[in-house]
Amino acid sequence: DGGITQSPKYLFRKEGQNVTLSCEQNLNHDAMYWYRQDPGQGLRLIYYSQIVNDFQKGDIAEGYSVSREKKESFPLTVTSAQKNPTAFYLCASRIRDTLGQAVTGVQPQHFGDGTRLSIL
Amino acid sequence: DQQVKQNSPSLSVQEGRISILNCDYTNSMFDYFLWYKKYPAEGPTFLISISSIKDKNEDGRFTVFLNKSAKHLSLHIVPSQPGDSAVYFCAASLNSGGYQKVTFGTGTKLQVIP
Repeated sequence: DGGITQSPKYLFRKEGQNVTLSCEQNLNHDAMYWYRQDPGQGLRLIYYSQIVNDFQKGDIAEGYSVSREKKESFPLTVTSAQKNPTAFYLCASRIRDTLGQAVTGVQPQHFGDGTRLSIL
Repeated sequence: DQQVKQNSPSLSVQEGRISILNCDYTNSMFDYFLWYKKYPAEGPTFLISISSIKDKNEDGRFTVFLNKSAKHLSLHIVPSQPGDSAVYFCAASLNSGGYQKVTFGTGTKLQVIP
C-alpha cells in the first residue's frame, strides 16, 4: 500500500536539543515538502525538495534543516535555534513539480499523518 | 500577508442539507485551487480542485465554484453526511520559477449533525 509514513507520531524535546522527524514515501514521488501547522493557522511551508540532493527554503525555514539523500526520504531536523518548535508537523509529496503541471493539471500533494512535537 | 483566507473557523450543518465552505484569495496569479479534508491526528487528503480558467468542477457530492472577479471560491457538499465532519482547507497554487507554490488557508471545521 503506497503512502507517506511519518514517525514518530508524538515527540518530546528538551530545551536546547535538536530532534529529527522522519518522513518516508513509497509513491515514487520526486517532490517532498515539510509544513508546520499551528492552532488557527494554515499550513506553512518550511522546506521543500524537488529532486534528490536538492532542497529549498520555504516561508519559515529558520531553525530547521533538511536533507534529501534518497528519493524516498526527507527528514526534518528541528534545531535548538527554533524558538517556538511546539507544533504539528506534516510531510507531503507530489509526483512532480515542474512546468509539466501546466499541461496536465495540478497534481495534489499526498500527506503523512503528522508528528506532534512538544517541548518539555 | 494571508493570501488565502477562510473567514469561518467553524460551520454546523444538519445531515442531508447543503454545506457551503468559503474561501477568499488576494493573488490573481493563482492558477489552481484545491480543497483538502483533514480528520484529527491525520494528514490532509485531497478532495477536489479547479483550474482558474473554469468556474465549476463537480465530483459526486462535492462541487467547487470559482468566481475570479470576486477572488472567491466555495465548496458545496450535497447532501452532507456525518462522515464529512472534518477540517477543510482551501489551497491555491501558482507557478513560481518552475515550482508550483501552494498556499493554504487556515481551515474551516465542519460539523454535520445527524
